[in-house]
Amino acid sequence: DADVTQTPRNRITKTGKRIMLECSQTKGHDRMYWYRQDPGLGLRLIYYSFDVKDINKGEISDGYSVSRQAQAKFSLSLESAIPNQTALYFCATSKVRTGGLEEQFFGPGTRLTVL
Amino acid sequence: ILNVEQSPQSLHVQEGDSTNFTCSFPSSNFYALHWYRWETAKSPKALFVMTLNGDEKKKGRISATLNTKEGYSYLYIKGSQPEDSATYLCAFNNAGNMLTFGGGTRLMVKP
Repeated sequence: DADVTQTPRNRITKTGKRIMLECSQTKGHDRMYWYRQDPGLGLRLIYYSFDVKDINKGEISDGYSVSRQAQAKFSLSLESAIPNQTALYFCATSKVRTGGLEEQFFGPGTRLTVL
Repeated sequence: ILNVEQSPQSLHVQEGDSTNFTCSFPSSNFYALHWYRWETAKSPKALFVMTLNGDEKKKGRISATLNTKEGYSYLYIKGSQPEDSATYLCAFNNAGNMLTFGGGTRLMVKP
């Protein structure tokens, strides 16, 4: 979905390097999320943000940090990358609809390989 | 950590076959159940959101049912086509409004 973009799309790095993955959205949504996907494990939530001043840890936040620079931008950092952080990373956005339901809109994903 | 499970993990069918797969989720604190379709090299896209016990949703040849009391949802595809090949993800939406995803069912439809 071109409304949610992620850069880079692919990245190969070495153990110990600092990596930043960026997410931008033009949907005007307040809520943004970072997930990682590993085969057979579905999407697991790393961090989420309900607005610019709100940052929350998800299920698997260890080894990651985030920054919500603006409503439209949410970055994920790996301070010191390790091989088991090799995964497909998705950014998503959502807006609370009438009734409180939220549909999430996903970016195209970033494939990260840590050697 | 909430337990959301999907079965089977993968499925191969012939074009024209009908198929179904299952998502099981906690029956307490239920708010909604989402189904997403994820094609290879693309981003997951929402298919259905269901909230009420007994809900049925349909979009073309794809339909879904919901049983909140026993904690399961079925996704059905009638007359599968090669373009239905994708991973189908379900996500449990609890009262805290977060989504917990299942591991997905990867469907491959052979022509």
